[in-house]
Amino acid sequence: NAGVTQTPKFQVLKTGQSMTLQCAQDMNHNSMYWYRQDPGMGLRLIYYSASEGTTDKGEVPNGYNVSRLNKREFSLRLESAAPSQTSVYFCASSPTVRGTEAFFGQGTRLTVV
Amino acid sequence: DAKTTQPNSMESNEEEPVHLPCNHSTISGTDYIHWYRQLPSQGPEYVIHGLTSNVNNRMASLAIAEDRKSSTLILHRATLRDAAVYYCIRIQGAQKLVFGQGTRLTINP
Repeated sequence: NAGVTQTPKFQVLKTGQSMTLQCAQDMNHNSMYWYRQDPGMGLRLIYYSASEGTTDKGEVPNGYNVSRLNKREFSLRLESAAPSQTSVYFCASSPTVRGTEAFFGQGTRLTVV
Repeated sequence: DAKTTQPNSMESNEEEPVHLPCNHSTISGTDYIHWYRQLPSQGPEYVIHGLTSNVNNRMASLAIAEDRKSSTLILHRATLRDAAVYYCIRIQGAQKLVFGQGTRLTINP
């Protein structure tokens, strides 16, 4: 049972390059989330998708775009990477109903030079 | 956004109980309280959640105050593997997990 799978696990980008972080879950969850975590800090919500076909901004959406491709997949795109986007990115999923647990991927460590 | 307040850090000894407090004084009647923890170099993992009543599972217990303005996560017998950052999260409206800074728990051998 894979749970939440993120690819890639590590990535180095040059300033101005673009890339897409992939996330897939096999638990038939409706809700999916993208977070970033800077060194020594807590997680900050970038975007979330309450259900297939919907996306909403979180706390720190600037510089990012998302696509809920289908129920399984939720991708995060950096159109023009900046050093300030160096961080560890986590994807998570949960059933729609409130009061249920969320499952997290292992993270993507992104460095922008 | 829904705010909770937790101590920045706590320390305990192995095999002793640990009580991690969380204040959520502006909670409304339908808000759930969730606890997650993050072990070093890993993604967060779910610990427990509750609405009004105290809850127990294999990992921990959650004690919710009668007025629901605070809660306490209880680890009954801490081990070194319980050293982590513990996050108390209040969920309101659409299920949107917003993390605070959490409590860094250190367990002494």
